[in-house]
Amino acid sequence: AQTVTQSQPEMSVQEAETVTLSCTYDTSENNYYLFWYKQPPSRQMILVIRQEAYKQQNATENRFSVNFQKAAKSFSLKISDSQLGDTAMYFCAFMKQQGAQKLVFGQGTRLTINP
Amino acid sequence: EAQVTQNPRYLITVTGKKLTVTCSQNMNHEYMSWYRQDPGLGLRQIYYSMNVEVTDKGDVPEGYKVSRKEKRNFPLILESPSPNQTSLYFCASSLSGTGELYGYTFGSGTRLTVV
Repeated sequence: AQTVTQSQPEMSVQEAETVTLSCTYDTSENNYYLFWYKQPPSRQMILVIRQEAYKQQNATENRFSVNFQKAAKSFSLKISDSQLGDTAMYFCAFMKQQGAQKLVFGQGTRLTINP
Repeated sequence: EAQVTQNPRYLITVTGKKLTVTCSQNMNHEYMSWYRQDPGLGLRQIYYSMNVEVTDKGDVPEGYKVSRKEKRNFPLILESPSPNQTSLYFCASSLSGTGELYGYTFGSGTRLTVV
């Protein structure tokens, strides 16, 4: 079975700073997908960024980028120039390429951006 | 607007009183799933459905039932709710074969309290 671990329950940074959220996972699969979801106080689950395991290049979406280390099974999220609107719970998630499309989530990291 | 609609948004009930949380999607998605979110545990899958009349257990199915009589609807049924089912519930859907591309589309969540 796959597991996803987020070791930072809470983080807090000042506005405009760069912050990195950690995620590690355990799987015997070779082909899979990784995601970061954002959950603001509205509770909505918003897809931030995704990474295919077969791609060596790290995914980037505007101020959000990932550091994907397949051998180390690590998938960290970097937020550059952080904004107050980035305040949210962030979840790392894993999905196998084959079989049922089940997302396996980490425990979440509560990120607070301070003015 | 493409969306997953969950109702109700908030629900307080008493132990043992049967309840149903409704979920409907308007995107013709084949795959639908229910998750529960608990502090420190992230989101865990309860049940999922690959298509009409096809459902299967997720990681935490005890105490829950589902049905998929129509493609658009996937209700979650608690026959005899207990306090340990107090949680935040999410319904999610994806078009089969593209869940890995876009993740899921999530509903806005149902906060259930069982007293």
